Amino acid sequence: GAGVSQSPSNKVTEKGKDVELRCDPISGHTALYWYRQRLGQGLEFLIYFQGNSAPDKSGLPSDRFSAERTGESVSTLTIQRTQQEDSAVYLCASSPGTRGDNEQFFGPGTRLTVL
Amino acid sequence: GNSVTQMEGPVTLSEEAFLTINCTYTATGYPSLFWYVQYPGEGLQLLLKATKADDKGSNKGFEATYRKETTSFHLEKGSVQVSDSAVYFCALIMDSNYQLIWGAGTKLIIKP
Repeated sequence: GAGVSQSPSNKVTEKGKDVELRCDPISGHTALYWYRQRLGQGLEFLIYFQGNSAPDKSGLPSDRFSAERTGESVSTLTIQRTQQEDSAVYLCASSPGTRGDNEQFFGPGTRLTVL
Repeated sequence: GNSVTQMEGPVTLSEEAFLTINCTYTATGYPSLFWYVQYPGEGLQLLLKATKADDKGSNKGFEATYRKETTSFHLEKGSVQVSDSAVYFCALIMDSNYQLIWGAGTKLIIKP
């Protein structure tokens, strides 16, 4: 079946503009994650959605970052008033969300460049 | 807090060499341990995992054993190929949680 998809694959924007990144998880996966990966670094957790529970936003670096998820499907990550330090690859992952089955399946990422 | 430490790269080897990438962890409790791989131009994918002490995860000729006594999960392969060139990430997750805790990644370069 289809894997996790993300769009756009690349986004170049000017400092101060807003951007919206999209993630389509694997059908039936209740858990969805957003991560940021800066060049040459590991993954930085941003936000986690699980079913209808309140999302864990503890990893969002500032109030310029927000994310939404419609039910158990598409999620969007919005960055307002982008800064050059926001340049990174933004990765989305989904997992079945059931106890004992926590493998995360990753999308190809969106490479964001803020000029 | 929980954390993962893995050896810094890049690691450069010749084809058919033996590979070890070290990974150690700190966790309050008993995590599940993972190795993810990111091939050039591709997304992250799970390479192998182990969910309890002394378990051995294996895939594509790679192996890693969950060692509780040394809090380690070192990745090994007996004979590497050029196609193994990638960035390898060690990670853990607590059964009571959902957040993967990641190492910084180790870039592996295999020369023909």
